[in-house]
Amino acid sequence: EIVMTQSPATLSVSPGERATLSCRASQSVGSNLAWYQQKPGQAPRLLIYGASTRATGIPARFSGSGSGTEVTLTISSLQSEDFAVYYCQQSNNWPYTFGQGTKLEIK
Amino acid sequence: QVQLVQSGAEVKKPGASVKVSCKASGYTFTGYYMHWVRQAPGQGLEWMGWINPNSGATNYAQKFQGRVTMTRDTSITTAYMELSSLRSDDTAVYYCAKDGGYCGITNCYPFNWFDPWGQGTLVTVSS
Repeated sequence: EIVMTQSPATLSVSPGERATLSCRASQSVGSNLAWYQQKPGQAPRLLIYGASTRATGIPARFSGSGSGTEVTLTISSLQSEDFAVYYCQQSNNWPYTFGQGTKLEIK
Repeated sequence: QVQLVQSGAEVKKPGASVKVSCKASGYTFTGYYMHWVRQAPGQGLEWMGWINPNSGATNYAQKFQGRVTMTRDTSITTAYMELSSLRSDDTAVYYCAKDGGYCGITNCYPFNWFDPWGQGTLVTVSS
């Protein structure tokens, strides 16, 4: 089973600033990596798939990069609605595993 | 628009079974795998398995094999997830989620990422 490790566990950033979230896989997942955003009491929402392709309706301030064992989600200018928990997920190998999440909080 | 609407919260005793439904609308139900993912309180996300609504074929995470059964009723575009021999650590919100890939006439091409998700069903296991 591929273990996905996200860092940091919590990230404190001011509105308008850039946030960079990291996700490391225990073995290569190629570009088969997705990112989700989850707000309290809500279901996760797909942000990025294929490591770098934004899902329908996702603002351009969200971008994904990397492949193999290291991928990154960047939010270029944080808006108030972006403070949430973010999960990465590999879709390369069964079983499909998630990272433990990064909580993005207001500084 | 694509929508997945799940059944309501359940409270079950240890050893019982629970069956959660997921009503799909806004797309061709048989054209996309359906996945189930769960989230224990305050914890992360855990993939449980998928069902091909066209053929009924299933694929379960090893952790749940023998306890989980995923089925579907194409006449009402609804997928089901039944978990048996419930334990207290099965207390979680259970989500259905549509696969990002597609099924053609003869083959399916699942992408194994999930969009959209149902609203979630809280299952509480308590004596």
